Amino acid sequence: GAVVSQHPSWVICKSGTSVKIECRSLDFQATTMFWYRQFPKQSLMLMATSNEGSKATYEQGVEKDKFLINHASLTLSTLTVTSAHPEDSSFYICSAHVRATGELFFGEGSRLTVL
Amino acid sequence: DAKTTQPTSMDCAEGRAANLPCNHSTISGNEYVYWYRQIHSQGPQYIIHGLKNNETNEMASLIITEDRKSSTLILPHATLRDTAVYYCIVRSSSGGSYIPTFGRGTSLIVHP
Repeated sequence: GAVVSQHPSWVICKSGTSVKIECRSLDFQATTMFWYRQFPKQSLMLMATSNEGSKATYEQGVEKDKFLINHASLTLSTLTVTSAHPEDSSFYICSAHVRATGELFFGEGSRLTVL
Repeated sequence: DAKTTQPTSMDCAEGRAANLPCNHSTISGNEYVYWYRQIHSQGPQYIIHGLKNNETNEMASLIITEDRKSSTLILPHATLRDTAVYYCIVRSSSGGSYIPTFGRGTSLIVHP
């Protein structure tokens, strides 16, 4: 099946720094990617919908200036957590939507720990 | 808000069939039922999906009721590696409801 790769799989950073997470579709083109956040023992919470070549659509309560999303190509979307704080520590997951088939493939997730 | 309801947890003996129910009473005509599972600290893994007919693949079977208001995922011979959180979601392949939203899922524990 199709593969979606996230990088890094885990990252530890100091409070106040910015962290970039990449999401790549390795063998298909994804016009739409979704970004989720998952806290321990909770479900996936949709943060934003990222469309190639246009601005991301953020869910209510998600700060667009804090979570910068860029989808510059059909195979890459990035999420940048700016000025990270300990409460941003979470498991971030991306998924890629295949328009032709409607299928959805998920990345392996990126665990962010902010000290 | 998620449009499905699932039991919070279930358990199953290794080698036996695991039957995971999902209620989606507000499903619309163009929405599919998708099942994913998430093993701890990994991204969700696709299992199976269907519209109205029952489906089977190498991982599982999906039984959808005739009125499409509920479905059951069947793992025919559960193994310890099937221990995971199973999510049932409904979404269309295009249009407004194609954005996938997740409920709390069912935590399946397979025991020896």
